[in-house]
Amino acid sequence: DAKTTQPTSMDCAEGRAANLPCNHSTISGNEYVYWYRQIHSQGPQYIIHGLKNNETNEMASLIITEDRKSSTLILPHATLRDTAVYYCIVRVRNRDDKIIFGKGTRLHILP
Amino acid sequence: DTGVSQDPRHKITKRGQNVTFRCDPISEHNRLYWYRQTLGQGPEFLTYFQNEAQLEKSRLLSDRFSAERPKGSFSTLEIQRTEQGDSAMYLCASSWASRGSTEAFFGQGTRLTVV
Repeated sequence: DAKTTQPTSMDCAEGRAANLPCNHSTISGNEYVYWYRQIHSQGPQYIIHGLKNNETNEMASLIITEDRKSSTLILPHATLRDTAVYYCIVRVRNRDDKIIFGKGTRLHILP
Repeated sequence: DTGVSQDPRHKITKRGQNVTFRCDPISEHNRLYWYRQTLGQGPEFLTYFQNEAQLEKSRLLSDRFSAERPKGSFSTLEIQRTEQGDSAMYLCASSWASRGSTEAFFGQGTRLTVV
């Protein structure tokens, strides 16, 4: 799986949009971008994934650049419950083996 | 079905003792994964099963570690002769392996402290 680079930590004011960047410059054509998050003392939680088109679900939006070398996870109206570590992962979909986690971005939502 | 469940949630043991953790996956999921997570790090892959077959083991899974999934449902992870370095959160996840598969769902983890 390709490696990703994320900032170690970020702050965001409550109610504002949180934009979490991820670089994946070595991504292959058949690799998807996945985002998971981990709230303190809980297991990781799937958020969203995409290949090349922008994606949106009830939790977040995923914006992938045209060259697919980077992406941004957007939490449109951050709440205190969004404080967590966010992991950006690239992997081949339908190859259902292990997920390789990096260190992620620790997002602090400030009241 | 309430998701992936792990038991116990917390375990404190003395160095040298054996411990066993249990994971109950989402009922229709045929893939089951074990991860270990230490403070400040992302989860590290240990091993995974498809049904009862153990398909891959990480180099992290020393000979003191053994995992089983005897009937393709729940799984156990045993650590023999525990060491202080085994202190970590042990996470279990499950998924349905097929084309267009669902994503992995994680349990709450078992936090092991070796004293």
